[in-house]
Amino acid sequence: EVVLTQSPGTLSLSPGERATLSCRASQSVYGTYLAWFQQRPGQAPRLLIFGASNRATGIPDRFSGSGSGTDFSLTISRLEPEDFAVYYCQQYGTSPRTFGQGTKVEIK
Amino acid sequence: QVQLQESGPGLVKPSGTLSLTCAVSGGSISSNNWWTWVRQPPGMGLEWIGEVYPTGLINYNPSLKSRVTMSLDKSNNQFSLNLNSVTAADTAIYYCARGPLIHYWGQGTLVTVSS
Repeated sequence: EVVLTQSPGTLSLSPGERATLSCRASQSVYGTYLAWFQQRPGQAPRLLIFGASNRATGIPDRFSGSGSGTDFSLTISRLEPEDFAVYYCQQYGTSPRTFGQGTKVEIK
Repeated sequence: QVQLQESGPGLVKPSGTLSLTCAVSGGSISSNNWWTWVRQPPGMGLEWIGEVYPTGLINYNPSLKSRVTMSLDKSNNQFSLNLNSVTAADTAIYYCARGPLIHYWGQGTLVTVSS
């Protein structure tokens, strides 16, 4: 099983600032099949990034993903008020298709 | 646009069986996708439960494998989840989704395990 560890647990930033979230895998992620989701309170998760660096349909270009192997990151270039939420990484290359524990981006 | 909708009891007694159904619209459940269940305990993170493929292939989370059963109902374009011997630790929002890369999620349904 691929264990995903996200850091930091919480990121306290102001609107307009840059956010960098990390996701580290216990073994290489097959096919770079790594996704990022955003979850706002009371909502289902929303797909942001797939294949480590590809934005999903309708996702603003302030969101970008990078990485390969075991180290991945999600960057939000300039935080908008609606970006304060919880973010999860998930590997979907091998079963079980595991999630990281999440990073909360909160308003400072 | 694919849409998914979970349904089932919101309250299950300890040691009982949690049973949920996910109705799929806007697409066929016989298409080449993995039909997936994910859960989220209140205030906690996402946990992948398992997935079922139209050919009958099934993958379960090893931590739940002894208690979980998933199946497809092609005639009604829906799929289901059964989780037996439930405890309070199984209280969660249960989401159905289309995977393995999840573009489409259901809205989620809260299932509480309590007597």
